[in-house]
This record gives sequence, structure tokens and C-alpha cells, in this order.
Amino acid sequence: ILNVEQSPQSLHVQEGDSTNFTCSFPSSNFYALHWYRWETAKSPEALFVMTLNGDEKKKGRISATLNTKEGYSYLYIKGSQPEDSATYLCAFDSGNTPLVFGKGTRLSVIA
Amino acid sequence: EAQVTQNPRYLITVTGKKLTVTCSQNMNHEYMSWYRQDPGLGLRQIYYSMNVEVTDKGDVPEGYKVSRKEKRNFPLILESPSPNQTSLYFCASSVSSTTYNEQFFGPGTRLTVL
Repeated sequence: ILNVEQSPQSLHVQEGDSTNFTCSFPSSNFYALHWYRWETAKSPEALFVMTLNGDEKKKGRISATLNTKEGYSYLYIKGSQPEDSATYLCAFDSGNTPLVFGKGTRLSVIA
Repeated sequence: EAQVTQNPRYLITVTGKKLTVTCSQNMNHEYMSWYRQDPGLGLRQIYYSMNVEVTDKGDVPEGYKVSRKEKRNFPLILESPSPNQTSLYFCASSVSSTTYNEQFFGPGTRLTVL
């Protein structure tokens, strides 16, 4: 059974703080790593799809890095804003089986 | 507007009463899937479909059926719902399952089985 772990489970930060959290996944049979942002009462929205070891992707104040050899990805948020409050999900993609999602990191940004 | 739609958004039903949750996408996507979200657990896949008339079990298929007669529609059928199927359900689609494409999620259906 594939195991995708996200830490921390939840996080409270002050507006303006920068923060980061981790997604750990199997280092074998890697095809891609997906990050999603899931706001309360909405549906998950794709942030990044990462495929290459050492990949770095950026969207506004949010960025992500990927290490496929050791099986982890970091998601960074610079200068957190209240609208960044959401659950951030990662999903391991082995290419020929369903995505395996982590349980998510719930971020609360306090104004 | 490109989107995945689900109906109904909310449903309260009783044990044993057959129900169908519809899912439709207008993006000509090949791949569609159903997930359930329960507190303390990640999104778990119920069934998925690589293309028309091709469906496969995900991680938690027991108690569910699906069909894919047309590319745009992927209904989820609960023949005899039970309380342990009370959950938040998401339908999702992507261009294809063979490349690393992002999945587009529907708005969710909150189901309560009494």
C-alpha cells in the first residue's frame, strides 16, 4: 500500500509570515507529484504538477520543490495572507494507478 | 466555461434506497474518477474510468457502481446505501490518465445516509 504523508497536519500563522510544509512519498515508481489547494466549501484546485527531480515551480507567492530520490516535496508560501487559508493536498502519481492523496495540511492565516 | 458538475450537491436519504449522483464534464476529458472524503482521511478513490466503456475499481469500491456510456458523464450509483457511505463525494476529470495532467474537481456532493 502506497503511503503519502503530509506534515504538519495543521498550521496557524500570522498574516505576513512565510511558511512551508512537507509531502513525503515513495521514492520508487515515481511519475509525478501533484499539489492541490482546497478551500473550505469549494473543490480542490490544482496548483502544481511536478515531474523532475530538483523541479521548482512557482505561482505568485506559492512555490514548490521536489526531491524524487529521497521522496519529498516542500510547498512554500511567502508572506501568507488570510486568503491563503485552505487545506493543501499532495498526491503521488505512479503513472498507471490512481493518484494516492495525502491527508492534507490545513493552513489558517490569522489577520 | 470549462467545468465539472455534480448533482445533487446535498442529499439526505435512508438506508437501502437506491440513489445516483451524476457527474458531467464539458472538457472532452478521457479520464474521470470518483473520490470520497472522510474526516481524518485523505481523498480516497472509489472508481475511475480511462475512457468510454472502460471502468476500474479504485481503493474503496465496495457498495458503489459506475458506468461510462458517454465521454462526458460518469454517474455514481449506490444500489443500497448504508450509513457508512455518509461522506463528501467528488467527481474529477483530466485530459488523460497516461500523462501527468491535473485533475479538475466538481463542487462535491454531501451525502447523508440515515
